[in-house]
Amino acid sequence: DGGITQSPKYLFRKEGQNVTLSCEQNLNHDAMYWYRQDPGQGLRLIYYSQIVNDFQKGDIAEGYSVSREKKESFPLTVTSAQKNPTAFYLCASSLNGGDTEAFFGQGTRLTVV
Amino acid sequence: GENVEQHPSTLSVQEGDSAVIKCTYSDSASNYFPWYKQELGKRPQLIIDIRSNVGEKKDQRIAVTLNKTAKHFSLHITETQPEDSAVYFCAAKGRGSSNTGKLIFGQGTTLQVKP
Repeated sequence: DGGITQSPKYLFRKEGQNVTLSCEQNLNHDAMYWYRQDPGQGLRLIYYSQIVNDFQKGDIAEGYSVSREKKESFPLTVTSAQKNPTAFYLCASSLNGGDTEAFFGQGTRLTVV
Repeated sequence: GENVEQHPSTLSVQEGDSAVIKCTYSDSASNYFPWYKQELGKRPQLIIDIRSNVGEKKDQRIAVTLNKTAKHFSLHITETQPEDSAVYFCAAKGRGSSNTGKLIFGQGTTLQVKP
């Protein structure tokens, strides 16, 4: 079954802890993205990567980190420096950084307790 | 960097009426403008897209128009049906020196189609 998979679907974290969200795709896509979705604020770009071993900051990168060691994987770490981490996180991928459709994972809802 | 503004934030129409959602973008080098539909509890899915070398594209009841000079693009849904109720997002993909490959979304429009 091809596509883009995020795990886990729900994640609870204690304040002060780092947590890593998984995003895997088997579509052979070069480009991958991480977005944060909050009510009324749309999809805000955290980080994006156009190719393996390279990534750029989006508009709200503070308190987050990523890696792109493999083409199919783009994990996002939410660090303790992120002031308001409770949100819905969406990962996406596209064939390349050009005019190609982005496909989304099903999302991870992170709650800080 | 690229900035995308979307209006209105909410839109309520009667079944059968048309709905129009408008977006503006800031990076004149942007060349790809997709529209996504997100139903409650689901992931966003592409419904239509347009590239900068065309001014209009239609797919059944959905159409998108692009005005590169004014840097705005719009989604038109005709003969709306209750199943069109969802959140719609516009987006722009950048090509400027600091924006290449960057896919930026608008704030979203919640469309409600009343039976």
